Amino acid sequence: ILNVEQSPQSLHVQEGDSTNFTCSFPSSNFYALHWYRWETAKSPEALFVMTLNGDEKKKGRISATLNTKEGYSYLYIKGSQPEDSATYLCAFNSGGGADGLTFGKGTHLIIQP
Amino acid sequence: DAGITQSPRHKVTETGTPVTLRCHQTENHRYMYWYRQDPGHGLRLIHYSYGVKDTDKGEVSDGYSVSRSKTEDFLLTLESATSSQTSVYFCATRDRANTEAFFGQGTRLTVV
Repeated sequence: ILNVEQSPQSLHVQEGDSTNFTCSFPSSNFYALHWYRWETAKSPEALFVMTLNGDEKKKGRISATLNTKEGYSYLYIKGSQPEDSATYLCAFNSGGGADGLTFGKGTHLIIQP
Repeated sequence: DAGITQSPRHKVTETGTPVTLRCHQTENHRYMYWYRQDPGHGLRLIHYSYGVKDTDKGEVSDGYSVSRSKTEDFLLTLESATSSQTSVYFCATRDRANTEAFFGQGTRLTVV
């Protein structure tokens, strides 16, 4: 069983502040690292899929970095807004890539106005 | 949004009965997955499919079987439901191996 760890488990951030959280994953047999945003009562939605060591991706105020050699990825949110409140999941994709994703337990982010 | 529909959305069933959950997609995605989501756990993979009639086991496959007779449909069957299978079940699809997953709305299953 692959081990994908996310920290912290939950996070309260003041509106306007920036924040970041971590995903660690096995550094061997790496294919891709995914980030998803999961709002309450909805389904997870993809933010990023990263495949190369050193990858940096950005979507609006959210960005992510990837270090496959040491097995970690960071997700950054700049200038947090209440609508950023959600659970953020990372998922590790090993092998040939067609296999299912192994998800972390998520970081539950609450933005306080 | 990828057109992924799960049915039923909610179901209550009795221990020992068989239950089938359906995932239907309109995107012609090759890969389909069934996950379960429980408190204190991340999404855990039950079974997946990489094409019609091609399926494989995931991390928590015991007590579950799947079938994929058409590209658009992926069925998850609980052969004899147990209380430990009370969970929220999510179907997901992917177009290619290195692309994002799209999720259905989830099915809340309660086994009493």
